[in-house]
Amino acid sequence: AQKITQTQPGMFVQEKEAVTLDCTYDTSDQSYGLFWYKQPSSGEMIFLIYQGSYDEQNATEGRYSLNFQKARKSANLVISASQLGDSAMYFCAMRGIFTGNQFYFGTGTSLTVIP
Amino acid sequence: DAGITQSPRHKVTETGTPVTLRCHQTENHRYMYWYRQDPGHGLRLIHYSYGVKDTDKGEVSDGYSVSRSKTEDFLLTLESATSSQTSVYFCAISEPSGAKETQYFGPGTRLLVL
Repeated sequence: AQKITQTQPGMFVQEKEAVTLDCTYDTSDQSYGLFWYKQPSSGEMIFLIYQGSYDEQNATEGRYSLNFQKARKSANLVISASQLGDSAMYFCAMRGIFTGNQFYFGTGTSLTVIP
Repeated sequence: DAGITQSPRHKVTETGTPVTLRCHQTENHRYMYWYRQDPGHGLRLIHYSYGVKDTDKGEVSDGYSVSRSKTEDFLLTLESATSSQTSVYFCAISEPSGAKETQYFGPGTRLLVL
């Protein structure tokens, strides 16, 4: 069974500081993908970053980076230099190659950036 | 941005009535998905489709049916709406490309069942 756990319901960060959003996962698949999505108050789901289970380097996309620790089954999102526009819900998701094409989502973390 | 639209965007209906939500894509992606989003649950998969007329159940499929007669359209039907189906419904699409297959989401439909 696949499972994604996000243990931080809410987080606060000062503007221009970095913040880490936690995500742990459980899967029996050897090959899988990990994803982070952002959902601002307007409601749309925005894809941020992807990490493959066989990727040796941590993924980065602008101010977003994914701290991937395979042995610990964690895929934390790091946002550097937080901006007010980063205030949103953030969802971690996973897809296993050999367990069908279902994506599994965590329950999300609400991030508030304080000016 | 991926070309995904959902209709209607908002709907209020009464318990016991059938409701159909439509997802339309212009990306020619093979996979389409319906999720519901509820506080404390994140996104939960209702049904998905891996091709025209090919569908499968997700985690929370009871009370829902789907149809896909064309690549671009995926319909979600609540056969007899209940108050527990009040939720935000998201459609998503993806194209198989190994592990890096990313899902792209539509804008969502807010459904209120009275």
